[in-house]
Amino acid sequence: LAKTTQPISMDSYEGQEVNITCSHNNIATNDYITWYQQFPSQGPRFIIQGYKTKVTNEVASLFIPADRKSSTLSLPRVSLSDTAVYYCLVGVFNQAGTALIFGKGTTLSVSS
Amino acid sequence: EAGVTQFPSHSVIEKGQTVTLRCDPISGHDNLYWYRRVMGKEIKFLLHFVKESKQDESGMPNNRFLAERTGGTYSTLKVQPAELEDSGVYFCASSQDAAGTSTDTQYFGPGTRLTVL
Repeated sequence: LAKTTQPISMDSYEGQEVNITCSHNNIATNDYITWYQQFPSQGPRFIIQGYKTKVTNEVASLFIPADRKSSTLSLPRVSLSDTAVYYCLVGVFNQAGTALIFGKGTTLSVSS
Repeated sequence: EAGVTQFPSHSVIEKGQTVTLRCDPISGHDNLYWYRRVMGKEIKFLLHFVKESKQDESGMPNNRFLAERTGGTYSTLKVQPAELEDSGVYFCASSQDAAGTSTDTQYFGPGTRLTVL
């Protein structure tokens, strides 16, 4: 059964770097890996996307190893406002072809 | 630019009733997706439209669910008759790119929370 796996929760303090890893063993060859952030009562919001190696934007970095079976979202110097649920989204191979699969989400709690 | 909007934000109905959820994608976005998150579970893909055509409806749980996108603009998702296990948050997303895969940057609406009693 195609699926992705993320830690259920993580705790951090303000100013620290947070790394959240998602495993996706059956990722489709041509599909990208996308990470989303979700606050309560809102829909997921795009953070970053990559295909391989490393991608960096103004809010995060994404590290993807050569086999692309996992990816790590890196949030530098988190603040209280980064407390949210973080999801990875990938296309994975299944019996029907390719399916879009969300991870179950990682609840990040940032404390002062 | 307006984002993806969904209506209603909340809906409470009784088992056996019908409910219709609406999604207005970002103007110009050909791709429209429906997802659902049941309490305690992951966000699950339901279906994907490209304009008015259903590109992939492999995630639709059963024939009580009917999605339409007439004219390739807004979309509706009807549940008839609703069952208790249909309770959850229904998200809609849209994207502009033609790939229609996880390559696209999807913009999500705030979701509709459906409660079936």
